[in-house]
Amino acid sequence: EPEVTQTPSHQVTQMGQEVILRCVPISNHLYFYWYRQILGQKVEFLVSFYNNEISEKSEIFDDQFSVERPDGSNFTLKIRSTKLEDSAMYFCATGLASYEQYFGPGTRLTVT
Amino acid sequence: AQTVTQSQPEMSVQEAETVTLSCTYDTSESDYYLFWYKQPPSRQMILVIRQEAYKQQNATENRFSVNFQKAAKSFSLKISDSQLGDAAMYFCAYRSATGNQFYFGTGTSLTVIP
Repeated sequence: EPEVTQTPSHQVTQMGQEVILRCVPISNHLYFYWYRQILGQKVEFLVSFYNNEISEKSEIFDDQFSVERPDGSNFTLKIRSTKLEDSAMYFCATGLASYEQYFGPGTRLTVT
Repeated sequence: AQTVTQSQPEMSVQEAETVTLSCTYDTSESDYYLFWYKQPPSRQMILVIRQEAYKQQNATENRFSVNFQKAAKSFSLKISDSQLGDAAMYFCAYRSATGNQFYFGTGTSLTVIP
């Protein structure tokens, strides 16, 4: 069964550094999302992406964040200048229809 | 913004027994979707079941079923014949029919006792 994959599984970075988290969606999916989950807290929506543009974003998704799908397959989340509070699990989700989301295994981001 | 409330931070159930996890939500919309996701220790979120608000019939998926009470804005998950592999964090989620964002509850940690 096809799955959403994410790389890396764990990323450690220093405060102020840029990180790029990568997601490979299920091949025919059209809707793409990023969520984050700070340890022990609930899953929070960051952004949704459809037809090569952002369709919705949350207050968390400020100018430090960006998303793109540069090669038509990978879906990336970039954090330009990481802060300690960006430490979290980042989940990518994709769907063929807008009402479904299949999650990847997540990338654990640790900012030191 | 819509809110999703899971009032049971932890639940436990004996293997082979039935357990019900509670979820309530707040919305002014009439058309939306509700979901239960399971997050095992491996941390990957897995869709358990989905309910469309316009459907009166409660969704079922094998041992998993929901009790959807639209007027009460309640969406509970029943797990029958609980198995050790059901142990996980369970999240209730809401999505408007017109929006893209999923709103998640804080989760219920389910322990299955052998």
